[in-house]
Amino acid sequence: SQQGEEDPQALSIQEGENATMNCSYKTSINNLQWYRQNSGRGLVHLILIRSNEREKHSGRLRVTLDTSKKSSSLLITASRAADTASYFCATGGGTSYGKLTFGQGTILTVHP
Amino acid sequence: GAVVSQHPSWVICKSGTSVKIECRSLDFQATTMFWYRQFPKQSLMLMATSNEGSKATYEQGVEKDKFLINHASLTLSTLTVTSAHPEDSSFYICSALTSSGRTYNEQFFGPGTRLTVL
Repeated sequence: SQQGEEDPQALSIQEGENATMNCSYKTSINNLQWYRQNSGRGLVHLILIRSNEREKHSGRLRVTLDTSKKSSSLLITASRAADTASYFCATGGGTSYGKLTFGQGTILTVHP
Repeated sequence: GAVVSQHPSWVICKSGTSVKIECRSLDFQATTMFWYRQFPKQSLMLMATSNEGSKATYEQGVEKDKFLINHASLTLSTLTVTSAHPEDSSFYICSALTSSGRTYNEQFFGPGTRLTVL
């Protein structure tokens, strides 16, 4: 079952603006990951944040994790049209080693 | 980075036929692979966990006799959709688990296979 919920479900912005997507989950986790999926394609791993980390950066990506609120956010700064894709959070860990549970995803559209 | 391939990338078949989808880890060994299904505009749903040399573990609600999984080597897992019906039409994605210390619990995903059952 899907334990992650993401909001917004869809986000439309102009190039250069920042995009923030949120993810909430229900059970305890060892880590949380963000993936990107272009339409009809496979997933690309963006970033992994462990449960003992609060913030992580990778290029234009910034991920935060609040385990007390069971939530995470993905910020894409200075967005580009090429960032247009679906973004999913996925939680893993606990007793289910390796298994990931995906959120519902956010469809991001960046207009040039 | 680690590369996972899937074959075929798309397949169209008649109702009642069986379709085999291959998932290969190209530059690393994967004792564990996962199979997901994704319907249009929806998220990925885990179908089963494929372990090399042992039986697959299926998620609740997934028919093991309909979705046959074979993980015969450390680089290959196959998913066979038996007696496919139109409702099996979906995007099937596999992933391979790498357990290196630096990328703990990181999965690398294949490009997906689009199955259309007529």
